[in-house]
Amino acid sequence: TQLLEQSPQFLSIQEGENLTVYCNSSSVFSSLQWYRQEPGEGPVLLVTVVTGGEVKKLKRLTFQFGDARKDSSLHITAAQPGDTGLYLCAGYSDSNYQLIWGAGTKLIIKP
Amino acid sequence: NAGVTQTPKFQVLKTGQSMTLQCAQDMNHEYMSWYRQDPGMGLRLIHYSVGAGITDQGEVPNGYNVSRSTTEDFPLRLLSAAPSQTSVYFCASSSSGHGQPQHFGDGTRLSIL
Repeated sequence: TQLLEQSPQFLSIQEGENLTVYCNSSSVFSSLQWYRQEPGEGPVLLVTVVTGGEVKKLKRLTFQFGDARKDSSLHITAAQPGDTGLYLCAGYSDSNYQLIWGAGTKLIIKP
Repeated sequence: NAGVTQTPKFQVLKTGQSMTLQCAQDMNHEYMSWYRQDPGMGLRLIHYSVGAGITDQGEVPNGYNVSRSTTEDFPLRLLSAAPSQTSVYFCASSSSGHGQPQHFGDGTRLSIL
């Protein structure tokens, strides 16, 4: 069974601080996606990474796909209260069509 | 822009009752799926469909049925509700092909008493 482990599960920090969320697996993924979910809504796609070692930036958010395509990280610079939410990673395996989901990181940014 | 529409948003059932959660998408997506989301467990796939007339089981299919008679609609049926099915249910759709983004509805919060 393929698993995606996210860490930390919960993070509460002050506005302006930096943070990193990790998504790790022992399996190889053909691509990996990051979603953000706000209360009462469904997850919304932030980015898809496909190539090992790929780095993508979305304003203050930096996403990296590991060289071996088994792990990924999300780094937020100078976090703001608007970044508050549940961050989910999800990977497409090479062997089947289904997305494998991490359990999520609940992020709270305090003003 | 409707995207994926789920109804109802909230529902309370008694144990043993049945009900259907509705999901409709207007993006002409071939792939549709149902997830349940429980605290600390992320999203777990219940059933999915790769096109009209084709459905398959996901990770946690027991107690749920689906059908896909049209491209747009993908209802989820609870046959005999149990307290363990208390959860938030999300419907998602995407274009076919590996690595496509999932588009989610806003969810149905279901409580089984």
